[in-house]
Amino acid sequence: GQSLEQPSEVTAVEGAIVQINCTYQTSGFYGLSWYQQHDGGAPTFLSYNALDGLEETGRFSSFLSRSDSYGYLLLQELQMKDSASYFCAVNNAGNMLTFGGGTRLMVKP
Amino acid sequence: GAGVSQSPSNKVTEKGKDVELRCDPISGHTALYWYRQSLGQGLEFLIYFQGNSAPDKSGLPSDRFSAERTGGSVSTLTIQRTQQEDSAVYLCASSLSTSGGGETQYFGPGTRLLVL
Repeated sequence: GQSLEQPSEVTAVEGAIVQINCTYQTSGFYGLSWYQQHDGGAPTFLSYNALDGLEETGRFSSFLSRSDSYGYLLLQELQMKDSASYFCAVNNAGNMLTFGGGTRLMVKP
Repeated sequence: GAGVSQSPSNKVTEKGKDVELRCDPISGHTALYWYRQSLGQGLEFLIYFQGNSAPDKSGLPSDRFSAERTGGSVSTLTIQRTQQEDSAVYLCASSLSTSGGGETQYFGPGTRLLVL
């Protein structure tokens, strides 16, 4: 089977940096994706790592270590609008996604 | 162009009734995915289509669930004899293709299904 573990909740203050970790056990691994979902909204794509290392997109960065089956999402200069749920997901064959349970990020002023 | 659209946005039904959920993917996207999300939970993969064929139906929870896609575009997810545990948000996503992994999936707004 496949499983992904991520913290259920993280709280941080505006302007801070927060890291959301994700560990996975899976077969047929192609890469690790991150999606953001605001309450009542649809998930939206943030980043994808197929190879080890850091991918940076503006305030968001994502890291992958395939040997450790581990990745993280780094959010810098937190803003109130970043309050949302963040999901890591393993990309399998057929571009299917297996999602973690999500991390609810609360940004406080 | 337009994003992924789904209808209805909300559906309330009685236990035992059949429901049909519709997904209209982004034009030109050959891959289409169905997921289910219970309140406060992650997304559960149900089924995906490459064109009109569904190579993997392993995520469908029971034989009451079926899906089809015609013309390589619109897809319908049908739930027969609905049960209360079927209550969830049903999300559809599409991507340009399924090759190689890492293709961004674009999600629709979902259909909120409540089975009474």
